[in-house]
Amino acid sequence: GAVVSQHPSWVICKSGTSVKIECRSLDFQATTMFWYRQFPKQSLMLMATSNEGSKATYEQGVEKDKFLINHASLTLSTLTVTSAHPEDSSFYICSASGRPREPYYEQYFGPGTRLTVT
Amino acid sequence: DAKTTQPPSMDCAEGRAANLPCNHSTISGNEYVYWYRQIHSQGPQYIIHGLKNNETNEMASLIITEDRKSSTLILPHATLRDTAVYYCIVRVGNSGYSTLTFGKGTMLLVSP
Repeated sequence: GAVVSQHPSWVICKSGTSVKIECRSLDFQATTMFWYRQFPKQSLMLMATSNEGSKATYEQGVEKDKFLINHASLTLSTLTVTSAHPEDSSFYICSASGRPREPYYEQYFGPGTRLTVT
Repeated sequence: DAKTTQPPSMDCAEGRAANLPCNHSTISGNEYVYWYRQIHSQGPQYIIHGLKNNETNEMASLIITEDRKSSTLILPHATLRDTAVYYCIVRVGNSGYSTLTFGKGTMLLVSP
């Protein structure tokens, strides 16, 4: 069964508003979580890596003030897209790794969140 | 991380073996070969990984050449549900902090 969940599965928001996406590990302690973005017909692009209790590390070209990541607990990470614009419309996917999943370093992916900004 | 090269698409008949190739000629000694797949509009799913020995699990087999410059993922009896994009990724070490770099993958279409 699924070990990583995301909520919501899809969301439509108006340009200029902010939207929060949740990523939860269901049966393990996610010491590390990753956020990816996937545009249509393209591959997944890593946006940021976050370790529980620490600030996220963003990939080059990803605006940390626009994509706010919080990993305050071992089971929950959130991605907030601030002041969303139509070009932020994409498929956002999280993954998590940690114990007691074996092997602990494996990344388990969530089902993704489809964001559409109008 | 080392880059990988995969064919953009492959076809396979249902019930037959699907052999998906991957070239990773610049792989380093501490890099593992990972395979994930992504069914349309879903998150990626881990399939298998290996360092230098061949590996098999309930989903697939992974054959890595002796020089580790290429590998083949084998789905022994493909079904329609195996239609997906398959990603071959090389990744440094066994670390929870080690990132995955996704390329364009191979779109496998399994037909009746």
